[in-house]
Amino acid sequence: GAVVSQHPSWVICKSGTSVKIECRSLDFQATTMFWYRQFPKQSLMLMATSNEGSKATYEQGVEKDKFLINHASLTLSTLTVTSAHPEDSSFYICSARDGTSSYNEQFFGPGTRLTVL
Amino acid sequence: LAKTTQPISMDSYEGQEVNITCSHNNIATNDYITWYQQFPSQGPRFIIQGYKTKVTNEVASLFIPADRKSSTLSLPRVSLSDTAVYYCLVGDMNSGYSTLTFGKGTMLLVSP
Repeated sequence: GAVVSQHPSWVICKSGTSVKIECRSLDFQATTMFWYRQFPKQSLMLMATSNEGSKATYEQGVEKDKFLINHASLTLSTLTVTSAHPEDSSFYICSARDGTSSYNEQFFGPGTRLTVL
Repeated sequence: LAKTTQPISMDSYEGQEVNITCSHNNIATNDYITWYQQFPSQGPRFIIQGYKTKVTNEVASLFIPADRKSSTLSLPRVSLSDTAVYYCLVGDMNSGYSTLTFGKGTMLLVSP
């Protein structure tokens, strides 16, 4: 089955630093990847959609200069949280769409827990 | 995007059948219905998907009436490990530009 991995699984950083989270599709080519954020006891909120080789599309209210997304290859997308602050502490989840499939199925990664001190 | 409505929470006991109903009154013709399961601090996991009538796999069944304005996820003989949040989503599976919108989900608590 399609597998999506994320690295790291958790990270703790100081306020003002930047953190990079990787999302990889392990056994398929992901032409589109999605980044979600989930606060405690809340649902997943879509942050942005990234297509390989092009700029990401951000959802309303998500700062593109703060959450930098790079989708440089068909198997890797990165989310960089720049100048992180405690309010950025959250669970970040990526998903990937199989570019060879005609269906819109998304495969989710295990998530990355970010804690900003 | 079709909006979905689910119960916030449900309680059950081990061995019982659990049915979670989702309302999606403005579902579009091309939309499929997909259910995901999420455990704490993990990514959502695909459970089942359907378009109409009934779909069954090794873990669940999905019942969709003719008007498709609702759907019911059926979990047979739940165990403690089925305690999780269950999300119902609708979306166009054939559109490469369609995104998924997660609702609040249903928190299922299975007790001994």
